[in-house]
Amino acid sequence: KNQVEQSPQSLIILEGKNCTLQCNYTVSPFSNLRWYKQDTGRGPVSLTIMTFSENTKSNGRYTATLDADTKQSSLHITASQLSDSASYICVVGGKGSSNTGKLIFGQGTTLQVKP
Amino acid sequence: KAGVTQTPRYLIKTRGQQVTLSCSPISGHRSVSWYQQTPGQGLQFLFEYFSETQRNKGNFPGRFSGRQFSNSRSEMNVSTLELGDSALYLCASSLVAGTSGAHEQFFGPGTRLTVL
Repeated sequence: KNQVEQSPQSLIILEGKNCTLQCNYTVSPFSNLRWYKQDTGRGPVSLTIMTFSENTKSNGRYTATLDADTKQSSLHITASQLSDSASYICVVGGKGSSNTGKLIFGQGTTLQVKP
Repeated sequence: KAGVTQTPRYLIKTRGQQVTLSCSPISGHRSVSWYQQTPGQGLQFLFEYFSETQRNKGNFPGRFSGRQFSNSRSEMNVSTLELGDSALYLCASSLVAGTSGAHEQFFGPGTRLTVL
């Protein structure tokens, strides 16, 4: 069964600190992996998109890594800011007749950054 | 360039009623996908439309349907509403169809549907 699991479920850190969010997936065949940030009451916003051949991608203070062999990804946030408080969702795109066009979403990690 | 817009933003309906939600994609985008987001299930794919044709469908009952117009605007309809249909409904647009490539999807703000 295609699944995307994220950990931790929630996280509280102090402003200025770094943190790492984890994503494990069982989607096969795999096409791409995306990280989204979703603020409360708003739609998700794309942070990074990685294909099978990419193992790291950065977007400002956000750096995503991908290990396609172990089917794991992480999102590292550097020097956190209060505005980083949001839900971070890992999304995997499959390919092939059964997966094309379908994105499989993780449950998300809720991050709270405190002053 | 204007982003993805969804109307209405909030909606309250009672069980058994039907509802129609609207989504206007970013200008030039021809693919529109719909998602349901609930606290318990997270985000789940409903269906994707490209050039007025449904390309993919998630695992939702037939009460959930959609369509896309020639200007790429899309509507989603839910008939015979159930309490469990209360959710945030999101649409996303992209330039090309499918998600097997690394092209970006842009999400709208969503429509919050409450079924009483």
